[in-house]
Amino acid sequence: AQSVTQPDIHITVSEGASLELRCNYSYGATPYLFWYVQSPGQGLQLLLKYFSGDTLVQGIKGFEAEFKRSQSSFNLRKPSVHWSDAAEYFCAVGARAAGNKLTFGGGTRVLVKP
Amino acid sequence: GAGVSQSPSNKVTEKGKDVELRCDPISGHTALYWYRQSLGQGLEFLIYFQGNSAPDKSGLPSDRFSAERTGGSVSTLTIQRTQQEDSAVYLCASSLLVGIAGGGDEQFFGPGTRLTVL
Repeated sequence: AQSVTQPDIHITVSEGASLELRCNYSYGATPYLFWYVQSPGQGLQLLLKYFSGDTLVQGIKGFEAEFKRSQSSFNLRKPSVHWSDAAEYFCAVGARAAGNKLTFGGGTRVLVKP
Repeated sequence: GAGVSQSPSNKVTEKGKDVELRCDPISGHTALYWYRQSLGQGLEFLIYFQGNSAPDKSGLPSDRFSAERTGGSVSTLTIQRTQQEDSAVYLCASSLLVGIAGGGDEQFFGPGTRLTVL
């Protein structure tokens, strides 16, 4: 069965500082990996995805993530955080063999200090 | 084109009543998913439709939950005899299922229906 762990429930970061959100997954084969962002009262917006190929993927809003098979990780990073990045971030794993239904991590809420 | 739409955006009901939640996927998307987001359980998969195949109902929490997809497009999630623990945001997503060669099977999410059971 698929599972996703986001170890950090809350992270507080100063505006302009770097941000890294951790994600570890469990799946027998190479999964599809996603990061979604959810602003208060909003739906889920896809930041980036990994399906195959280059393990460093670029997304929207200046985010990037690196797939590390040996560590079963897919950490999300941003070099310089903006106040508008305050939101909840979800890592998710899916697999075509399982109909692509997504298993989500518990989410990390990011607070940005001025 | 238009994204995934869901209605109603908010629904307040009394315990024991039945509710229907509607999802309009992106036109042409063959796959449709329902998820639930609640404080206690986080984001969890409920049910998945793909073309004319039998739906994957493995995530439905009880037999009070059912869903159908008519004509391969609009889907309705029905909750019978609602309970307070059913209070959550119900999210619908759709996907084209193009595979890796087509850029991957990204799911596009609707804004959700917030269900409150009193």
